[in-house]
Amino acid sequence: NAGVTQTPKFQVLKTGQSMTLQCAQDMNHNSMYWYRQDPGMGLRLIYYSASEGTTDKGEVPNGYNVSRLNKREFSLRLESAAPSQTSVYFCASTVGEGHQPQHFGDGTRLSIL
Amino acid sequence: GDSVTQMEGPVTLSEEAFLTINCTYTATGYPSLFWYVQYPGEGLQLLLKATKADDKGSNKGFEATYRKETTSFHLEKGSVQVSDSAVYFCALSDQGFQKLVFGTGTRLLVSP
Repeated sequence: NAGVTQTPKFQVLKTGQSMTLQCAQDMNHNSMYWYRQDPGMGLRLIYYSASEGTTDKGEVPNGYNVSRLNKREFSLRLESAAPSQTSVYFCASTVGEGHQPQHFGDGTRLSIL
Repeated sequence: GDSVTQMEGPVTLSEEAFLTINCTYTATGYPSLFWYVQYPGEGLQLLLKATKADDKGSNKGFEATYRKETTSFHLEKGSVQVSDSAVYFCALSDQGFQKLVFGTGTRLLVSP
């Protein structure tokens, strides 16, 4: 049982390049999330999807787009990467009902030169 | 809006020492509270949770009690091990939807 799987694990981009980070969960969860983790700032929510077919902005959505492809998959796209987007990106999912915890992937370490 | 404040780290302890990591929160409703742990190179894992006032969450020797009167959820462990070295995040979720608000994290370093 894989849980939440993120690909790739590492990526280096040049400024202006585009990139899609992939996330898939096999727990039949309704809600999925994308966070970024920066030193001293904890995790900040970029976008989330409460259920299949819906997406909403989080705290730091600028420069990103998302697609909830189906119930299992939720991708994050950087259209024109900037050095300020160098970060570790985490995908998470949860049932979406009641106070159930989120389950996290192992992260994608993204460097933009 | 909702927020979580954690003590700054790193917290450096010797093996078998007592651990406390402070966490306080601000929320308009009645949130659930969580502690997550992140080991080097890994994602976050749920350590424990509490969903209402006076609940105590516990796991792997760690405990935290949901104190509504002091808006706190401090993490404690009676005797830490080297393997507990990690970053610990306090978080809350609001009533209506599972959006988590995280603290900035506290790094714990345990030496033999």
